[in-house]
Amino acid sequence: GAGVSQSPRYKVAKRGQDVALRCDPISGHVSLFWYQQALGQGPEFLTYFQNEAQLDKSGLPSDRFFAERPEGSVSTLKIQRTQQEDSAVYLCASSLGPGQSTDTQYFGPGTRLTVL
Amino acid sequence: GQNIDQPTEMTATEGAIVQINCTYQTSGFNGLFWYQQHAGEAPTFLSYNVLDGLEEKGRFSSFLSRSKGYSYLLLKELQMKDSASYLCAVRDLSTGGFKTIFGAGTRLFVKA
Repeated sequence: GAGVSQSPRYKVAKRGQDVALRCDPISGHVSLFWYQQALGQGPEFLTYFQNEAQLDKSGLPSDRFFAERPEGSVSTLKIQRTQQEDSAVYLCASSLGPGQSTDTQYFGPGTRLTVL
Repeated sequence: GQNIDQPTEMTATEGAIVQINCTYQTSGFNGLFWYQQHAGEAPTFLSYNVLDGLEEKGRFSSFLSRSKGYSYLLLKELQMKDSASYLCAVRDLSTGGFKTIFGAGTRLFVKA
């Protein structure tokens, strides 16, 4: 079956532009996570959804970052008024069970965002 | 708070064995994961430990000591394709259980 997909794979934005990053999780997966990965670093947690409910958004770096999963499947991470420090790879992961479980997280290929 | 330490880089020879160490500090430990990440690709799951001891899966094994806050990933019969970053990650219930905290990763270079 299909894995986690993300689009676009690459995005170049001018400073101040808004961007929207999409994640299609594995069908039927309850949990969806967004991570930010800077070059040479491990993924850093941004936010977590259980179905359509955003249960943890403590990792979002500022109020310019917003995520939604309105129907409990596809999720969108939106960054408003992008800054150069937002340049990173944004990874989406999904898992079958609720977030507190130890189900394996399956990662998408990521979106590489470059802010000029 | 949470803290995960692992070596930045390691080099090993094809066919050899390599051990990648990871130490962690967390107040609500709920399992440790190892992921492999090739350059420009997504992390892929390798192993999960929640109890002390060794978990073996083919050429890869992972060990956990909760009292020491220590884990290692053991790779045997190294192949060139094993050149990648290896990420140690911890689930922490103290943050609500949703977060997985990742280390910065260990870049492994396998040479012929």
